[in-house]
Amino acid sequence: KAGVTQTPRYLIKTRGQQVTLSCSPISGHRSVSWYQQTPGQGLQFLFEYFSETQRNKGNFPGRFSGRQFSNSRSEMNVSTLELGDSALYLCASQMGGRETQYFGPGTRLLVL
Amino acid sequence: SQQGEEDPQALSIQEGENATMNCSYKTSINNLQWYRQNSGRGLVHLILIRSNEREKHSGRLRVTLDTSKKSSSLLITASRAADTASYFCARREAAGNKLTFGGGTRVLVKP
Repeated sequence: KAGVTQTPRYLIKTRGQQVTLSCSPISGHRSVSWYQQTPGQGLQFLFEYFSETQRNKGNFPGRFSGRQFSNSRSEMNVSTLELGDSALYLCASQMGGRETQYFGPGTRLLVL
Repeated sequence: SQQGEEDPQALSIQEGENATMNCSYKTSINNLQWYRQNSGRGLVHLILIRSNEREKHSGRLRVTLDTSKKSSSLLITASRAADTASYFCARREAAGNKLTFGGGTRVLVKP
């Protein structure tokens, strides 16, 4: 099976802009989770989608949002970008239970 | 902020030596997982240990879990230069489904 794919891999934006990141899970996986990784805060959970519904949400402002489509592909959107949003954004998929999550290679976002 | 602490933050060893890293947490867990990350890339799942398990092996990896002390350890035996990476523990909370990651241990294996 193909692994988790994320697009784009690299992105440069300026403050105030918005950005949309995409994640395609492993075939058959219905759950997609998003994480933000920064040197200062480490790996932080953003949100999880399961069957097109947000199942869990981390402690991030409303500028961070996401959605999941009927084919389980997911997108996350960050509006009004701030310099502190520069990070590696990782998505992970799993079958649906509480077991192993499989991570994509990440999207590295730089906000100037 | 992370709710799992890892110790040490960094580790430097010679090829062939064993590497041990520890992870502590504060709340009840369903399972605890270890991941490896090479230089800012995606995370690779290494091993999962459930709350009712005490020890698990996978190749050169050995994981222990002590739920009474709320701690886990990862041992990499006979390390290789290719084991150079950051290692993260992640706990699956008993309530909810999110993974909470520790701060990670950076391991350098010198040839």
